[in-house]
Amino acid sequence: LAKTTQPISMDSYEGQEVNITCSHNNIATNDYITWYQQFPSQGPRFIIQGYKTKVTNEVASLFIPADRKSSTLSLPRVSLSDTAVYYCLVGEGNFNKFYFGSGTKLNVKP
Amino acid sequence: SAVISQKPSRDICQRGTSLTIQCQVDSQVTMMFWYRQQPGQSLTLIATANQGSEATYESGFVIDKFPISRPNLTFSTLTVSNMTPEDSSIYLCSVEGHLGTLNTEAFFGQGTRLTVV
Repeated sequence: LAKTTQPISMDSYEGQEVNITCSHNNIATNDYITWYQQFPSQGPRFIIQGYKTKVTNEVASLFIPADRKSSTLSLPRVSLSDTAVYYCLVGEGNFNKFYFGSGTKLNVKP
Repeated sequence: SAVISQKPSRDICQRGTSLTIQCQVDSQVTMMFWYRQQPGQSLTLIATANQGSEATYESGFVIDKFPISRPNLTFSTLTVSNMTPEDSSIYLCSVEGHLGTLNTEAFFGQGTRLTVV
């Protein structure tokens, strides 16, 4: 059973910052939050993972409030190539099997 | 990161037949999983492939229909048996836990697109 809830779809324009929020009310103490990106005809690709507060890498930032019941993936200055489905997953950091939710289909327009 | 090779990348099969999908990883990993993704849908976990023992299946999936092997830490197979058109889907292999690293992220293969006619 998926443990997460995300918006089904979002639209954005090139150059904008996009924030996708995920709800995970029943997150367990040992659970990490991981985001994946999937393009058509490809397997999901890891974007970022975090446990609390803020994590940033070269492609995205992940904001996690103190209660950890939600998280927000932030994509700075999106381009057309960021059009994809984004999945928020929660699970133990070590060797967890993921149950995928519906994901958020991001459509970036010119 | 891991390099995962899935074979075949796609196939068209007759109903009633079986297809075996292979997943090869370029390094030893602790965990290997099999997922199914139907067109336009999210991924559904089929089973965890356990090395040297029977796979652990999720609800709705059974060994007779989806037998899985995992003879070592770099290789696994998923067989789709006695296929029907409802088995038409993309099947994906996923791996986690690269030995000798602290890497905990999951890596996915490109998938096998199966069409049953």
